[in-house]
Amino acid sequence: GAVVSQHPSWVICKSGTSVKIECRSLDFQATTMFWYRQFPKQSLMLMATSNEGSKATYEQGVEKDKFLINHASLTLSTLTVTSAHPEDSSFYICSARVPGDVTDTQYFGPGTRLTVL
Amino acid sequence: GEDVEQSLFLSVREGDSSVINCTYTDSSSTYLYWYKQEPGAGLQLLTYIFSNMDMKQDQRLTVLLNKKDKHLSLRIADTQTGDSAIYFCAESIKNTDKLIFGTGTRLQVFP
Repeated sequence: GAVVSQHPSWVICKSGTSVKIECRSLDFQATTMFWYRQFPKQSLMLMATSNEGSKATYEQGVEKDKFLINHASLTLSTLTVTSAHPEDSSFYICSARVPGDVTDTQYFGPGTRLTVL
Repeated sequence: GEDVEQSLFLSVREGDSSVINCTYTDSSSTYLYWYKQEPGAGLQLLTYIFSNMDMKQDQRLTVLLNKKDKHLSLRIADTQTGDSAIYFCAESIKNTDKLIFGTGTRLQVFP
């Protein structure tokens, strides 16, 4: 149980284009999902908390107009990197919590590697 | 602010035990976690421990928590080459949804 998927696994795009990454909870409904960014050989940096049916909560320093998050259903959250530039190249990972899980455990997707040329 | 520190690298021989250490600063953490990340992959939950526990054992994994010193450790018994990965500790922050991750420890197992 508690499986989270991401699509695509990797994507290469040209500078100035927008890229959408999907995060799905496969066997549970997730009211809250999280988006992280990971640079090579570094830890995870929380970008935003995605809440179903409401606006995402962004961490300090994360541009909400550049990283658009939509949590339109209980099993899907999307992250759109708008007008991507080479500095946006990174590994993006989502996670989700199982409602009612008192351990607050987050289950992670396999990640999406974004390369902006 | 919250800060979670880990040593960067650990190298062990196959069959030996590995001990990965973590120190954290937020004493109000309710749960602490260990995750494993293999190259190019997401994070796999290994185990977690409630903050009022001292120890938790799960097969080859033993977690020790010293709440007074804010020190968490993960011991892997009979380490195998398949255990080679980056290990992250994380703490949940009370009254928030957030996890704060450590810097990660790269474990290398050699034959």
